[in-house]
Amino acid sequence: AQSVTQPDARVTVSEGASLQLRCKYSYSGTPYLFWYVQYQRQGLQLLLKYYSGDPVVQGVNGFEAEFSKSDSSFHLRKASVHWSDSAVYFCAASRTGGYKVVFGSGTRLLVSP
Amino acid sequence: NAGVIQTPRHKVTGKGQEATLWCEPISGHSAVFWYRQTIVQGLEFLTYFRNQAPIDDSGMPKERFSAQMPNQSHSTLKIQSTQPQDSAVYLCASSSGPEQYFGPGTRLTVL
Repeated sequence: AQSVTQPDARVTVSEGASLQLRCKYSYSGTPYLFWYVQYQRQGLQLLLKYYSGDPVVQGVNGFEAEFSKSDSSFHLRKASVHWSDSAVYFCAASRTGGYKVVFGSGTRLLVSP
Repeated sequence: NAGVIQTPRHKVTGKGQEATLWCEPISGHSAVFWYRQTIVQGLEFLTYFRNQAPIDDSGMPKERFSAQMPNQSHSTLKIQSTQPQDSAVYLCASSSGPEQYFGPGTRLTVL
């Protein structure tokens, strides 16, 4: 069955530190991959997406993610986090050309001062 | 572009009452999705429409829940005889491809 796994329910980092949020997917073939962010009491917002090509994709606010076919992963990274990055981050996937998206369980990021 | 609009933002109902949630997708988007979000269960897929036709309702509870998309400008999610366990944030999203764009959600509280 198709699935997306985010192994870390909560991550705490200090402001200014680097960040990696982990995501593993289980899909036949190479799916489309996404990272979404949800701030308090808001809907989900698209951070970045991967369809094909360069495995490192850039998103908004300095976020980037790297696709690895061999590892079935799509980890999210940021070089230096800000307190405003505190939010819940969701990794998601859909089959190529598909509309329905499978979401991971989310990782709550807390950036401490 | 106003984004996906959901109304109301908050709704409080008594146990056994009906709740209707509204979603206005982004103009030109052909697909509309409904999700339910709770602390315990996380983000759960409910149903989706494409070009107004129901495509997949595999996440919809078999009883009391129904969704419609009578025209391309809005979709509704109706919950009959609401129960306390229906309390959640209901999110609507629309898309014209793989990327989904979410509304702010409707927070439903069943007393």
